[in-house]
Parts: sequence; structure tokens; C-alpha cells
Amino acid sequence: QVQLQQWGAGLLKPSETLSLTCAVYGGSFTDYYWTWIRQSPGKGLEWIGDSNDSGNTNYNPSLKSRATISVDTSKNQFSLKLTSVTAADTAVYYCGRGISRWGQGTMVTVSS
Amino acid sequence: DIVMTQTPLSLSVTPGQPASISCKSSQSLLHSDGKTHLYWFLHKAGQSPQLLIYEVSSRFSGVPDRFSGSGSGTDFTLNIGRVEAEDVGVYYCMQGKHLPLTFGGGTKVEIK
Repeated sequence: QVQLQQWGAGLLKPSETLSLTCAVYGGSFTDYYWTWIRQSPGKGLEWIGDSNDSGNTNYNPSLKSRATISVDTSKNQFSLKLTSVTAADTAVYYCGRGISRWGQGTMVTVSS
Repeated sequence: DIVMTQTPLSLSVTPGQPASISCKSSQSLLHSDGKTHLYWFLHKAGQSPQLLIYEVSSRFSGVPDRFSGSGSGTDFTLNIGRVEAEDVGVYYCMQGKHLPLTFGGGTKVEIK
């Protein structure tokens, strides 16, 4: 059974870069798209983007090119970087294998 | 972007009674691959989202058979045959036909 474990800084100041990593245990790292979504306080779910193991990526245009998803096949890990964060980026971030399996979530707060 | 509209916003259900959630998409979710890319998730408080239903009506691994999905084109429904206490949370529909993937606003289900 695949498990995803994620980590990263939970408190950022405006204009800093959010950086989260997700490790995949069990199952293949190839043949899937690796996904990031988020949920802002009191709001619904938002798809951030995804990448396959070859580095083919897709992003939500709403993030205005601030997001970068990268994969490290040697470590079975993938990462999210989000630049120039603001309070609007405060959310719980989830990594996922496609849309079917998800990490435990990381609360990221942006505050001065 | 494809807009997903869910109704109702919230639902209070007596245990053992049925529940139904509607989801409408702004465009048909029937893909040229012959599949209709409509998915249902349950997001329980403090947990990761759980995939319940994929491609309109197929139950994901481990999902109880009291959950069923139906619909076509732009109109979809999630039915819970007999609600149990563990079914509380926010239910989301999501379309996977066009990027960016988009979610409905969510339906909060609580137990009376």
C-alpha cells in the first residue's frame, strides 16, 4: 500500500518561498502523476498542479507561474515550490499520487 | 476553467437515512476517451481527502457500497444509501476532463 509523507516549513513571511517535499513509500514511482492541492481556511479544495516522473508538469494558471513541481526519482520524492507567497497562500497543502492517495497535509501560514 | 456547482451547501441527516448530493459542471465531462471524468471525495476534519467515486460511478478501493454515483454529461449525483456517523465531513465533486482540475464548493454533511 503506497504511503505519502510530506514535510516543509509551516510559517513563512510574505514574499518568501514555500517549499514542501513529499516522499513516496511502496508502489511504483513511475506510471503516475504526482499532485499538489491545497485548502485555504474556510474554503474548498484547489488543485495546484502535477508532474509525472519524467518531469512533465501542469499548473493551475491561477498561481500565475509562481509554482514549480519537481521530482527526484532517485529518492522517490517530489516537491513543490511557491514563490512570493502572501497571506492568500495560507492553507493546508496535500501531496498526492494522482488523485487517489494523499499525504497527511502540511499547514502553511504566511504572516508578517 | 470548468465550474463545478454543488448543492446543497449542507445536509443534516438522521443515521440510517439516505442522502443525496448534486453536482453540475459548466461543460460536459465526457472525454474523447469515452470516459466521463467526474470524481467524488470525502474530506473529514483533520484528515486527507478520500477518493470515493471515480468516473461517475466506480467505487474506489475500500469504499463501502452504500456510496454510489450516477449521472452523465453535466449533471451528477452522489448517493449515500444509509448514512452512518463516520460519513460526516465535506463532500466534493471534481472534474478531471480539462486542466486545471476544479472542485465543487463542497457539501457539509452532519448527523442529526
